[in-house]
Amino acid sequence: SQKIEQNSEALNIQEGKTATLTCNYTNYSPAYLQWYRQDPGRGPVFLLLIRENEKEKRKERLKVTFDTTLKQSLFHITASQPADSATYLCALYTGGFKTIFGAGTRLFVKA
Amino acid sequence: KAGVTQTPRYLIKTRGQQVTLSCSPISGHRSVSWYQQTPGQGLQFLFEYFSETQRNKGNFPGRFSGRQFSNSRSEMNVSTLELGDSALYLCASSLGGRETEAFFGQGTRLTVV
Repeated sequence: SQKIEQNSEALNIQEGKTATLTCNYTNYSPAYLQWYRQDPGRGPVFLLLIRENEKEKRKERLKVTFDTTLKQSLFHITASQPADSATYLCALYTGGFKTIFGAGTRLFVKA
Repeated sequence: KAGVTQTPRYLIKTRGQQVTLSCSPISGHRSVSWYQQTPGQGLQFLFEYFSETQRNKGNFPGRFSGRQFSNSRSEMNVSTLELGDSALYLCASSLGGRETEAFFGQGTRLTVV
């Protein structure tokens, strides 16, 4: 069956460290993958998009990698700050104008 | 420009009733997608509309339906509500092409009692 898996356990890190979140998928061949941030009580906000032929994409303190062989994307936040505390969702475009989301990983950055 | 607007923000309904949720996309966006978000399941895709046509739908029962109007505003309807329909319903608007960023509304929190 088709699945997207993100770390269900919350990730706790110290301010200034690099946070690394994982997104694994099975039985999909997505043309691209996106990462979103969601704060409590709010809708997700788009962060980054990476295509299947791109290995890495960066935006300020954010970096995303995409390994279509491993069927995995890694999302990194460098020099993390308490304001980075949120739930991070990965999303796959599966074709047919349909994007599916993982359940998300909660990140807590302690000062 | 104004963001995606969902109304109402909160709703309490009784089992067996029906409900209609509304989504006004960003001006110029022709695609609207709907998602159900629950703590255990994350965001589940309901359907996507573009220029009044449903282009895809998720694995939900026929009690869940939607439509899109000529001004791109969209509504979703849930009939014969069940307790398990309690969730945050999110809509997202986009230009509708590939690789386009989706902009989400704040959602409608539906509680079925």
